[in-house]
Amino acid sequence: AQKVTQAQTEISVVEKEDVTLDCVYETRDTTYYLFWYKQPPSGELVFLIRRNSFDEQNEISGRYSWNFQKSTSSFNFTITASQVVDSAVYFCALSPFDYKLSFGAGTTVTVRA
Amino acid sequence: KAGVTQTPRYLIKTRGQQVTLSCSPISGHRSVSWYQQTPGQGLQFLFEYFSETQRNKGNFPGRFSGRQFSNSRSEMNVSTLELGDSALYLCASSSEDSYSGANVLTFGAGSRLTVL
Repeated sequence: AQKVTQAQTEISVVEKEDVTLDCVYETRDTTYYLFWYKQPPSGELVFLIRRNSFDEQNEISGRYSWNFQKSTSSFNFTITASQVVDSAVYFCALSPFDYKLSFGAGTTVTVRA
Repeated sequence: KAGVTQTPRYLIKTRGQQVTLSCSPISGHRSVSWYQQTPGQGLQFLFEYFSETQRNKGNFPGRFSGRQFSNSRSEMNVSTLELGDSALYLCASSSEDSYSGANVLTFGAGSRLTVL
């Protein structure tokens, strides 16, 4: 069975602060994929990043960065210098081979001006 | 390029009724998945279709069904609605045809169903 745990339910920060969202997963599969999606108030989930279980390289994309540590089954996400537009619910998700994405409960990020 | 389009965006039904939700994937995408989002259970996988065939199904009762047409458009149906079916139903399409969990999904804005 797959399980994704996002430790923080809500995070509130002031603009320009850094925000780190934790994600811990459980799976018995040796090959799997990890994702982060963003859900703004409009409702649609927006894809941010995909990682496979063999690629532990950290990644940076603009103000976003991801830290994948297979040894601790974690895939954490950091927003650097947060902006009001970053306010959304962020979901970590895990997928084995069979197309079922298992999502975490989500972390609501509120960035105040 | 148009995104994933879901209709209707909002609807209200009463217990015992049935509902049909529609999803038009991005042009060229042949895989369509459906997810249910509720405050209590979060995001849960319903089913996935590819070339009119259901390839995978989540743990939902038989009242939840779906289909996909030859133009890749998909519908899901919920019969004998219960209060607990109130949710945001999200459809997603993928351009990657391989049966792989690696596929990136593009989501629609969802259909918000309220059951009274």
